[in-house]
Amino acid sequence: GQQLNQSPQSMFIQEGEDVSMNCTSSSIFNTWLWYKQDPGEGPVLLIALYKAGELTSNGRLTAQFGITRKDSFLNISASIPSDVGIYFCAGQLPQGGSEKLVFGKGMKLTVNP
Amino acid sequence: NAGVTQTPKFRILKIGQSMTLQCTQDMNHNYMYWYRQDPGMGLKLIYYSVGAGITDKGEVPNGYNVSRSTTEDFPLRLELAAPSQTSVYFCASSYNREAETQYFGPGTRLLVL
Repeated sequence: GQQLNQSPQSMFIQEGEDVSMNCTSSSIFNTWLWYKQDPGEGPVLLIALYKAGELTSNGRLTAQFGITRKDSFLNISASIPSDVGIYFCAGQLPQGGSEKLVFGKGMKLTVNP
Repeated sequence: NAGVTQTPKFRILKIGQSMTLQCTQDMNHNYMYWYRQDPGMGLKLIYYSVGAGITDKGEVPNGYNVSRSTTEDFPLRLELAAPSQTSVYFCASSYNREAETQYFGPGTRLLVL
């Protein structure tokens, strides 16, 4: 099946630091999504991106849809302890709807107060 | 609205046993999905439904069955549990085919021994 390469797999940062993560693929996507998953919970959508080159912010979060449509990145600025969790990217393939979502493996973020 | 609810939260099964994972949504969404999440891996789609009475296979359907007799409920059935089905199962629903409209349930953790 399709694959998304998400990196890094984990990060340990101090409160107040910025963190970046990205996803790459050999496939082209129409939509890029970024989710956060808290322990014992389901993923919650953070940001959705729809156009190549699009840069979107949601509070301290900023994400970009790569020009080639094969990659995306997410930045979190001025991290706080509640940013702890697993962050997933997902891409929606051009030939389908939500049933054609491809998910990254996730990045586990730890924030030390 | 309760959103997407899943029961049970956790279950241990013996090899060969069967069980049904329950999923209910109260948002009147037509689209519903079942995913599994293995450690360190991205979500994989098992089955999905575009409306009552209509279901279709996802990427990893083997060993599972679903039904959709009502808009609200989308149970997932494991007939002969195998250790390879040890995973966390997430149900999701959406009001259209666009991935950014998906809401996830809290998950069911299943251990097959």
